[in-house]
Amino acid sequence: EVQLVESGGGLVQPGGSLRLSCAASGFMFSKYWMSWVRQAPGKGLEWVANIKEDGSDKYYVDSVKGRFTISRDNAKNSLYLQMNSLRAEDAAVYYCASDTTGKLNNAFDMWGQGTMVTVSS
Amino acid sequence: DIQMTQSPSTLSASIGDRVTITCRASQNINSWLAWYQQKPGKAPSLLIYKASNLGRGVPLRFSGSGSGTEFTLTISSLQCDDFATYYCQQYNSYSLFTFGPGTRVDIK
Repeated sequence: EVQLVESGGGLVQPGGSLRLSCAASGFMFSKYWMSWVRQAPGKGLEWVANIKEDGSDKYYVDSVKGRFTISRDNAKNSLYLQMNSLRAEDAAVYYCASDTTGKLNNAFDMWGQGTMVTVSS
Repeated sequence: DIQMTQSPSTLSASIGDRVTITCRASQNINSWLAWYQQKPGKAPSLLIYKASNLGRGVPLRFSGSGSGTEFTLTISSLQCDDFATYYCQQYNSYSLFTFGPGTRVDIK
C-alpha cells in the first residue's frame, strides 16, 4: 500500500525551530519529486517546498525562503522539513505529497494525513 | 509569479445539479493544471491532472477542460459525496507550484 506518514509537529514558540518528517512506503521513493504543502486553520492550501529525486534541486515559496530547508534520505525513504525562525503565520497542518506513479506529470496523487504545527508563546 | 483565481468562492447546489467551477491562471500554464477535492479534516485527493485527465478511481461525473489560462471543473450530476472544497493547482514549473483559493460546494 502506498503511504505517506508525517510526524514531528507540535507547539513551538515564535522564533523557535521544528523538524518535520515524512515516511514513505509502497512506492519507489527515490524516483520522484516530493513536496510539502501546508494549510493554515480555516484557510486554503499553500505549496511550501519541493525537492528533486536525488536532492540536487530544491524550491521554496517566497515566504519561507531562508528559514525552511527541505531534504530527503532516499536510503530511509524519508522526507524532511527543517523549520527555523518560526512565525505565527507558519501555524498550519503540514502535508507531504507526491506523484507516486511518475505518470501524472507531478500532480499529487498521494498525500499524508498531515501534522499540525502551532506557533504560540 | 503565477497567481491562480477560482470562481465562485462558494457554490450552493442541489443533488443532481450540474456544477462548474472556473480556475484562471495569471499566465500561460499550458495544460499543467490539477484539481483536488478536500473534505473537512482530511487531506486533499486528486481528481484531475493535466487539465483533463481523470485520476485513478475518480467517478466519471467529474471532468476537466481548458488550457493556457482558463480551466473548468465540471460535476455532471452532483452527489451527496461531492459536497466539499475544490482546489485547482498549477504545476507549470518545478520552481513554484500554486494553488487556487478554493471553491466550497455546499447544499442549497
